[in-house]
Amino acid sequence: AQSVTQLGSHVSVSEGALVLLRCNYSSSVPPYLFWYVQYPNQGLQLLLKYTSAATLVKGINGFEAEFKKSETSFHLTKPSAHMSDAAEYFCAVSEGDKIIFGKGTRLHILP
Amino acid sequence: GAVVSQHPSRVICKSGTSVKIECRSLDFQATTMFWYRQFPKQSLMLMATSNEGSKATYEQGVEKDKFLINHASLTLSTLTVTSAHPEDSSFYICSANPTGSGANVLTFGAGSRLTVL
Repeated sequence: AQSVTQLGSHVSVSEGALVLLRCNYSSSVPPYLFWYVQYPNQGLQLLLKYTSAATLVKGINGFEAEFKKSETSFHLTKPSAHMSDAAEYFCAVSEGDKIIFGKGTRLHILP
Repeated sequence: GAVVSQHPSRVICKSGTSVKIECRSLDFQATTMFWYRQFPKQSLMLMATSNEGSKATYEQGVEKDKFLINHASLTLSTLTVTSAHPEDSSFYICSANPTGSGANVLTFGAGSRLTVL
C-alpha cells in the first residue's frame, strides 16, 4: 500500500526565509504525489501535483516541489515565506482512485 | 473552477440523534465522491467512496450502519451519522474528482464540523 511520511508536525520559519516541508513516500508503483494546504476550519486546496512528467513541479502561491526517486522524496519549498503561508500542509499519494494523506505539517511564520 | 459545496458547515446535535451532511458538486458531475474524517490536529482519514447509483465502498474499520452514504445523483452525495455520540464529533470533508482535472486531482468541500453533545 502507498503511504507518505511527513517529517516534523510543526515547522517555524521567519518571514522572508526559505520554507522547506519534508515528505517521503512509499509506493510499489510510480506514484502520483500531491501537496495540499488547509487553512483553519476549511477544506483542502491543491498546491501542486506530480504525475510523472517534470520532476520539478511548480504550484500556486510560489510553492514548488521536486520529485526525487532515488530518495523517495517530494519535499515542498518556497523561497520566501509570507505571513499568509501559515497553515497546515499535507503531502498525499494516490492509491488507485483514492488519495492517502500524510499526518500534516503545521507551518508557523515568525514576524 | 470546480467547486464542491458542503452543508451544513457546522452542526451541533444531541447524543442519539442523526445528522445529515450534504456534499454537492456545483459546476460538474461526479460519479464518485470521497468522504474523509479529520480529528483535531490530525490528518484526513478516508472513510468511504461514494458511488452514484450504487453502494458506497467503506474503508476498513468504518461502520457502514453508523455512517450511511447515499449518492442519489451525479451532483449530490450525503453522509448521515446515525445515532450520533460524542466520539463522532469531528470535521467531515467530502471531495470529488472533476472530469478533465487530471488523475486523482480532488476538489474538496470546506468541511462540516459536527459536535455531538
